[in-house]
Amino acid sequence: QVQMVESGGGVVQPGGSLRLSCAASGLTFSNYGMHWVRQAPGKGLEWVAGTLHDGGNKYYVDSVKGRFTISRDNARNTLYLQMNSLRAEDTAVYYCAKDLETRGLHYFDYWGQGALVTVSS
Amino acid sequence: EIVMTQSPATLSVSPGERATLSCRASQSVSSNLAWYQQKPGQAPRLLIYYTSTRATGIPARFSGSGSGTEFILTISSLQSEDFAFYYCQQYNNWPLTFGGGTKVEIK
Repeated sequence: QVQMVESGGGVVQPGGSLRLSCAASGLTFSNYGMHWVRQAPGKGLEWVAGTLHDGGNKYYVDSVKGRFTISRDNARNTLYLQMNSLRAEDTAVYYCAKDLETRGLHYFDYWGQGALVTVSS
Repeated sequence: EIVMTQSPATLSVSPGERATLSCRASQSVSSNLAWYQQKPGQAPRLLIYYTSTRATGIPARFSGSGSGTEFILTISSLQSEDFAFYYCQQYNNWPLTFGGGTKVEIK
């Protein structure tokens, strides 16, 4: 049974930092690409960042480049998102999501329950 | 960036009727298109990948078609549990992108 549990969400002031974690179990974590997808209140889904199975290649949506860093620790089965210079428009529920395939095509069969990040003064 | 456009934004359908949802890509994504269902307060659920392959456990009333820039999700006979939001996603190019979503509501 695959499970992914996010943690680290909360309220932060504009310009502040936060680190999200996603602990995965029930799978061979190191075989799969992993991603962060966010959803602003009342809005649709937005892919934020992704990393391939070995963490060697990382990809970002333009709006977070230079501010967010995705990383993974395959020994701990954990995905991270370091978020710096946070803005009000980063307020959202952040989901971690797992690739279905191991061969590098990026669509998602398992999602975490989401972590709410609120950027407000 | 490939822009994904879904239509309509809201679809009002009676239970038992067919629903047809559209997704258009700003450039070809080949067959690298997925569909997700999301209910309020829940994470998205994968329905369809490779345009037309149903994910594990997805009922046969859900089907996908299309290629290139034009894609369709069809729900052949809407059940009460199908009233939800639906999103398409292309995975042909970085950055991965989602459509804006279609809300399927009870008529």
